[in-house]
Amino acid sequence: AQKITQTQPGMFVQEKEAVTLDCTYDTSDPSYGLFWYKQPSSGEMIFLIYQGSYDQQNATEGRYSLNFQKARKSANLVISASQLGDSAMYFCAMRYQGAQKLVFGQGTRLTINP
Amino acid sequence: DSGVTQTPKHLITATGQRVTLRCSPRSGDLSVYWYQQSLDQGLQFLIQYYNGEERAKGNILERFSAQQFPDLHSELNLSSLELGDSALYFCASSVETGWTGELFFGEGSRLTVL
Repeated sequence: AQKITQTQPGMFVQEKEAVTLDCTYDTSDPSYGLFWYKQPSSGEMIFLIYQGSYDQQNATEGRYSLNFQKARKSANLVISASQLGDSAMYFCAMRYQGAQKLVFGQGTRLTINP
Repeated sequence: DSGVTQTPKHLITATGQRVTLRCSPRSGDLSVYWYQQSLDQGLQFLIQYYNGEERAKGNILERFSAQQFPDLHSELNLSSLELGDSALYFCASSVETGWTGELFFGEGSRLTVL
């Protein structure tokens, strides 16, 4: 069964530091997409970044990059130069060819300290 | 603004009651997904509709039902409510792109059952 694992329930980082949020996935489907969403305390789900299973290069979106290691089945999110506004819950998720739904990990609560 | 509209934003009701949550997808999106987010269960997929037809079903209770109307808006009906149904209910929509496109989430409907 397809599964997403986020092993860090919470992380505390100093402002302006880089932070890596871990995500591993399990699927036997060769075609899949990996996504990261941010959920601030207000509750909405904000799409951050996407990586396709056939993409050769790691995805980047501004301060966000995805460290995609296909053989290890990991898709870690890297946030460079963290800001106070980055404090939120972060979810890793996957879609795969067999189903269009998003499968989510349990999330990591990131707290940025001034 | 994701373009997905959910109403109501907040709802407080009593056990045994029935409520209806409404979702309007982004213009042009044919797929609608419903998710439940509770504190101890993370984001759980409930059901997906595509162009009016049920496409996939997740861990949706028999007390819950959904439908997608010809104008593509969707409703999630929750009946015989229990305390454990208190959660944030998300609707999301997507263009039918299989596994490559992100889901766009509404702001959620926060249900409190007393």
